[in-house]
Amino acid sequence: DTAVSQTPKYLVTQMGNDKSIKCEQNLGHDTMYWYKQDSKKFLKIMFSYNNKELIINETVPNRFSPKSPDKAHLNLHINSLELGDSAVYFCASSQEFNEQFFGPGTRLTVL
Amino acid sequence: AQSVSQHNHHVILSEAASLELGCNYSYGGTVNLFWYVQYPGQHLQLLLKYFSGDPLVKGIKGFEAEFIKSKFSFNLRKPSVQWSDTAEYFCAVNPGYSSASKIIFGSGTRLSIRP
Repeated sequence: DTAVSQTPKYLVTQMGNDKSIKCEQNLGHDTMYWYKQDSKKFLKIMFSYNNKELIINETVPNRFSPKSPDKAHLNLHINSLELGDSAVYFCASSQEFNEQFFGPGTRLTVL
Repeated sequence: AQSVSQHNHHVILSEAASLELGCNYSYGGTVNLFWYVQYPGQHLQLLLKYFSGDPLVKGIKGFEAEFIKSKFSFNLRKPSVQWSDTAEYFCAVNPGYSSASKIIFGSGTRLSIRP
């Protein structure tokens, strides 16, 4: 009965590969987010979807493409992975302007 | 540009010491304020939040924070820390009343507690 779940938890891949991370929330929230946390713990928002519509799209390489098939899911696809993409990626959800609930994170390592 | 500043990057305390972590934001309008905690290897969890009302907010695990509007601050406090409080602490600000408003996170403060 995890509120926000992400798969996979760990992802190790070679440069140039394409990979996806999935996120699901069962809280009935209307907004979902993707964050990137670097090795210094700095948390940077990448995307936000509200009711399946993209509302925040930060300066992120277009190799990153989010997809929201429905309100409860927000997936992140990454093309042509680079070394600098190595980080922990967190999915989160919220209802309107209330607090965000975070998923467990996906640790991506690009070799 | 709106920003959130956490001036303490790394704080080291002994058990039972009192804690205060600073958070300042730059936004003149109405804000919602949050403190999140990230224990080692885990995801962010909400400690407490302020939307309106009493500016002294009590959260989980004995934490509290005080909103001082004139100082644009929302400092986190705990009278007596425990070893289990070792974690990364993030202040966050939502400058607006819309989910479309981007919640801005501070750079985090690492808290290390010596047993």
